[in-house]
Amino acid sequence: AQSVTQLGSHVSVSEGALVLLRCNYSSSVPPYLFWYVQYPNQGLQLLLKYTSAATLVKGINGFEAEFKKSETSFHLTKPSAHMSDAAEYFCAVSGYNTGFQKLVFGTGTRLLVSP
Amino acid sequence: GAGVSQTPSNKVTEKGKYVELRCDPISGHTALYWYRQSLGQGPEFLIYFQGTGAADDSGLPNDRFFAVRPEGSVSTLKIQRTERGDSAVYLCASSSDGAGGRNEQFFGPGTRLTVL
Repeated sequence: AQSVTQLGSHVSVSEGALVLLRCNYSSSVPPYLFWYVQYPNQGLQLLLKYTSAATLVKGINGFEAEFKKSETSFHLTKPSAHMSDAAEYFCAVSGYNTGFQKLVFGTGTRLLVSP
Repeated sequence: GAGVSQTPSNKVTEKGKYVELRCDPISGHTALYWYRQSLGQGPEFLIYFQGTGAADDSGLPNDRFFAVRPEGSVSTLKIQRTERGDSAVYLCASSSDGAGGRNEQFFGPGTRLTVL
């Protein structure tokens, strides 16, 4: 079965510092990969997605992620953190083994941004 | 509406009771999904509708859970004989279609279910 692993349940950065949130996937065939953000008491919002086009994907709010097949990774980065980036971030996968339609989520990483 | 809406936003019930959770998808979206998010976890898939039919219900944990979408728009998730372990946030999402998993799933704010 397809799955994703998010390393680090919490990541703390200072405002202006680089943000790096890690996601590794397991899949026997190239999957579709997604990053979602969840603010308190709000629904999940799509940041970006990889669907077998360009391996470097740019998303909203200055985030980007790079699909690396050799490392089975899809890490999320942002050059300079803002206070407003503090939220829960979820990596998700869909693909052949999940029937494509449904998303399989990681356990999430809470990003904390300090002044 | 502009986005996916879910009602109620909070539901507190007693063990053994029956509950219904409602989802209004984005107008025109043919695909609708239910997920369950337990505390400290990522969302877990429950069921997927394409139009009126349940195309994949493999995530429903047992036969106490049932969902319908009779007219291909609004969906209701029904839980019978609720148990304390059913306490979670139930998320609904919709997309323009389910084809290929490429299309963005738009999520509602969720219904927080608490079973006492």
